[in-house]
Amino acid sequence: GESVGLHLPTLSVQEGDNSIINCAYSNSASDYFIWYKQESGKGPQFIIDIRSNMDKRQGQRVTVLLNKTVKHLSLQIAATQPGDSAVYFCAENMAGNQFYFGTGTSLTVIP
Amino acid sequence: NAGVMQNPRHLVRRRGQEARLRCSPMKGHSHVYWYRQLPEEGLKFMVYLQKENIIDESGMPKERFSAEFPKEGPSILRIQQVVRGDSAAYFCASSPSTGLRRETQYFGPGTRLLVL
Repeated sequence: GESVGLHLPTLSVQEGDNSIINCAYSNSASDYFIWYKQESGKGPQFIIDIRSNMDKRQGQRVTVLLNKTVKHLSLQIAATQPGDSAVYFCAENMAGNQFYFGTGTSLTVIP
Repeated sequence: NAGVMQNPRHLVRRRGQEARLRCSPMKGHSHVYWYRQLPEEGLKFMVYLQKENIIDESGMPKERFSAEFPKEGPSILRIQQVVRGDSAAYFCASSPSTGLRRETQYFGPGTRLLVL
């Protein structure tokens, strides 16, 4: 099956700095992507989504960038806070309602 | 507005027993998805259901696993004759509809199954 991978399994950033979490996807037919945040012991929480007809979408303190040419997705978190410490997953969807999730990147914010 | 609810949150079973995991979707959502997450791994799709229908079960193991979403009541993921390898977190997600536009899935808190 298709896989969604992440370049870095762990990321540590200083509080207040910006964080960038990357994701590579392999299926060029994927046209809908979601970033989820998962805190320890909890279910994934929706952060932001983007469809393939866009290359950038902004939310509150988060920005998702989509580069379809190289099949790359990134999540940027501005002014990272300790509460942002979690595992972040990207998920891709190409048809129907099945999403494929990557392994995740563990973000640690250093106070 | 309550989110997706799952129970139990933690379940311990001995090998050979049955595990029943329940999921109540968000109000107004008629689509339910089950995922399995092993430690240090991402979520793996198992099954997608609508009321009284299994739409996609391509991620379900062929044996011992079954799922249903009855007209009334929660969705149930059933694992018969559990083995240690079934130990994982099982997450349920729901969405309002499909149509032509993919809908965001909202996740419950998960059920952590431990098989002794």
